Amino acid sequence: GENVEQHPSTLSVQEGDSAVIKCTYSDSASNYFPWYKQELGKGPQLIIDIRSNVGEKKDQRIAVTLNKTAKHFSLHITETQPEDSAVYFCAASRETGFQKLVFGTGTRLLVSP
Amino acid sequence: DAGVTQSPTHLIKTRGQQVTLRCSPKSGHDTVSWYQQALGQGPQFIFQYYEEEERQRGNFPDRFSGHQFPNYSSELNVNALLLGDSALYLCASSHGTSGRRVGETQYFGPGTRLLVL
Repeated sequence: GENVEQHPSTLSVQEGDSAVIKCTYSDSASNYFPWYKQELGKGPQLIIDIRSNVGEKKDQRIAVTLNKTAKHFSLHITETQPEDSAVYFCAASRETGFQKLVFGTGTRLLVSP
Repeated sequence: DAGVTQSPTHLIKTRGQQVTLRCSPKSGHDTVSWYQQALGQGPQFIFQYYEEEERQRGNFPDRFSGHQFPNYSSELNVNALLLGDSALYLCASSHGTSGRRVGETQYFGPGTRLLVL
């Protein structure tokens, strides 16, 4: 079955720095890749997603890149702020049919003032 | 517009007992998926309901069962609870476009934290 690996498991940056989280997936049929942010005591919140027909997508300080040949995708956060501190999860699924999201193991991001 | 709601927020049970968790999807959504998130792990897919039928199932034993009601809300039932069932149970809803199901974003609720003693 599908397997998604995520690195690093923890990431500490200074406020204003950039943060990059990387994921690889195993199922070549996967073509939908969302990223979720989970704060303590809350459910995951979608922050950005990308589909296989594009290589990059940007939303203000957040961007995601996708390399289907290498089967990896990355989350980029620029100008980090303390409120960006949370656990981030990547996920993968096939876009058509009934979707089953397969999640990575998560990255704990800590942004220090 | 209310998002995905789940009840209860917390629950404590003992081994061998049965538990029922509830989920109301986001307004306009007709599909509900359930995930189990152990401490420090990513969510694991349990199953998905659409039109009151289980459409997909992950690698979970038959002790895990579910139901979807005509109003699209859903229940997750776990029988014969084990210590290892302690986790955050997440419900996610999505909306199937007419015809082909394409590009559906899943929106998560806050979860129910289950502790099995």
